[in-house]
Amino acid sequence: DQQVKQNSPSLSVQEGRISILNCDYTNSMFDYFLWYKKYPAEGPTFLISISSIKDKNEDGRFTVFLNKSAKHLSLHIVPSQPGDSAVYFCAASVGEKLTFGTGTRLTIIP
Amino acid sequence: DTGVSQDPRHKITKRGQNVTFRCDPISEHNRLYWYRQTLGQGPEFLTYFQNEAQLEKSRLLSDRFSAERPKGSFSTLEIQRTEQGDSAMYLCASSHPAGEQFFGPGTRLTVL
Repeated sequence: DQQVKQNSPSLSVQEGRISILNCDYTNSMFDYFLWYKKYPAEGPTFLISISSIKDKNEDGRFTVFLNKSAKHLSLHIVPSQPGDSAVYFCAASVGEKLTFGTGTRLTIIP
Repeated sequence: DTGVSQDPRHKITKRGQNVTFRCDPISEHNRLYWYRQTLGQGPEFLTYFQNEAQLEKSRLLSDRFSAERPKGSFSTLEIQRTEQGDSAMYLCASSHPAGEQFFGPGTRLTVL
């Protein structure tokens, strides 16, 4: 039972353009959503989060959008840079437990 | 910078052996979490502690798994009688209450 889904295993984007990563969830009890970035041989690194009472949160080049009615969130990265190439995990929580998606590998093409 | 540290980074063991992993959280964090990640999947929650109290355990944590945090600082995760299906990356994270979880680099376990 995959409660958090990232349906695109991979995404390639030209440097300087916008990267859009998508995530869908099924559990309406989730009240907090996060994006993590992971490089090979490292643990996930926290990127940005959003509470279920908001629909947008912005931090520099990163913006997360939440559409509760559609149970959908997205991460926008603009402009994309080569250092953004990594695997991105969407996560959701109710209480302390994080439930992760399967990840999207983002490749930024110079 | 003292982030979350995990030891060892890699462990190769034979089926049936016991293994123990250690996690040192960020010093001011009183919450500590264990996750497991297998190939092609996201991390899956195993258990978490607030100080020395283990407050939640996943169904994934079978009887062969035990986690401790005896003094509310570092934590250990022990797997007894390892099986090939236990091969995975074991991740530790820590946080303030209601704060974001910060992850360590993980321990990669290979069971032969």
